[in-house]
Amino acid sequence: KAGVTQTPRYLIKTRGQQVTLSCSPISGHRSVSWYQQTPGQGLQFLFEYFSETQRNKGNFPGRFSGRQFSNSRSEMNVSTLELGDSALYLCASGVTGADGELFFGEGSRLTVL
Amino acid sequence: LAKTTQPISMDSYEGQEVNITCSHNNIATNDYITWYQQFPSQGPRFIIQGYKTKVTNEVASLFIPADRKSSTLSLPRVSLSDTAVYYCLVGDLRRNTPLVFGKGTRLSVIA
Repeated sequence: KAGVTQTPRYLIKTRGQQVTLSCSPISGHRSVSWYQQTPGQGLQFLFEYFSETQRNKGNFPGRFSGRQFSNSRSEMNVSTLELGDSALYLCASGVTGADGELFFGEGSRLTVL
Repeated sequence: LAKTTQPISMDSYEGQEVNITCSHNNIATNDYITWYQQFPSQGPRFIIQGYKTKVTNEVASLFIPADRKSSTLSLPRVSLSDTAVYYCLVGDLRRNTPLVFGKGTRLSVIA
């Protein structure tokens, strides 16, 4: 069974640009969550989508957005990039999202210059 | 969401049993306790989950006392490959609330 796939794995952007990250969940999983991980703040929850609807949202500015497609694949977008957005962005999928067992991808490492 | 407190770091020699304790004094009746493991530059990986007493799987054991205000993750006979950050999380699985990761415990296994 294929795991959670995130693309791209690495990317470099400059301040003011925008970026779109993609996540393909495990087949059959309807919940997709996004997390941001930085050395200083650790793992922070961004948002969760379930059946194309945003079900939970973390405390991030509106520059961070996401969506989920009918096939459960998800994308997150960060607009007007800031240096502080440099981080590892992790996607996790789950059957229901609330069963405690999330399957994480390897992440997309974003560097903002 | 119940807040958790774990040691920031721990060191252990190969072959020893490692016990990582997590405090969650304000755990709610419906909360479960879940542990994740994270290696550098990888996403966290589910290790074990429990509600009370003891849970054991092929990787670890989870001990939860009767008052449930703490829990202990036990890793038997650790190896160098167990060097990772271990996160303790507490939450009500029925409420679809997102997992809240703390700082975790950085375990270093020494040869």
